[in-house]
Amino acid sequence: GESVGLHLPTLSVQEGDNSIINCAYSNSASDYFIWYKQESGKGPQFIIDIRSNMDKRQGQRVTVLLNKTVKHLSLQIAATQPGDSAVYFCAERVNTGFQKLVFGTGTRLLVSP
Amino acid sequence: DVKVTQSSRYLVKRTGEKVFLECVQDMDHENMFWYRQDPGLGLRLIYFSYDVKMKEKGDIPEGYSVSREKKERFSLILESASTNQTSMYLCASSPQGLAGGKETQYFGPGTRLLVL
Repeated sequence: GESVGLHLPTLSVQEGDNSIINCAYSNSASDYFIWYKQESGKGPQFIIDIRSNMDKRQGQRVTVLLNKTVKHLSLQIAATQPGDSAVYFCAERVNTGFQKLVFGTGTRLLVSP
Repeated sequence: DVKVTQSSRYLVKRTGEKVFLECVQDMDHENMFWYRQDPGLGLRLIYFSYDVKMKEKGDIPEGYSVSREKKERFSLILESASTNQTSMYLCASSPQGLAGGKETQYFGPGTRLLVL
């Protein structure tokens, strides 16, 4: 099986529940943030992004919240489904003059039917 | 849809072998990246390229080199594979970033490399 995801914090929810996945970022100068979803055996898939001049952005069933004061990012998934089971991680763009992303280590979301 | 493909999903090599990992993107993106992903460490940037024939070291370039002869293709080379290079290798691409523009990186499916 896949070894990516071992040692990760895990969030277990029931199908239909709302899920909240948190991420603390490191650089107060970061100006762009992305949430990725990675299913077992696959590459990371873009979910939603947000710029630092916003504090909330909504997509389909997902919402990203940004709190720059405490350098915290969260991903909310409404009505979680078994297909949402994956590893989720955030990325911040560190403003170095090039679009270098720094990635978090991720949280595993397990959705039970 | 952006498509990033990697030449192999699984690869088994022996210590000392030269290994080539190929990545191709079909969206005419200027920027391409190679990462490795290890449990508990997240994605770590090995090398990136912002134009043909241009390359820049990432955070962990030691033991690796890259080649970008064409815009759509970015190759990662392990000159002499070692067991500590056993990992998942991920390629990504992104369009040229503009002020206020999107800089999302799009990933390939990954190559799981085992070095024996």
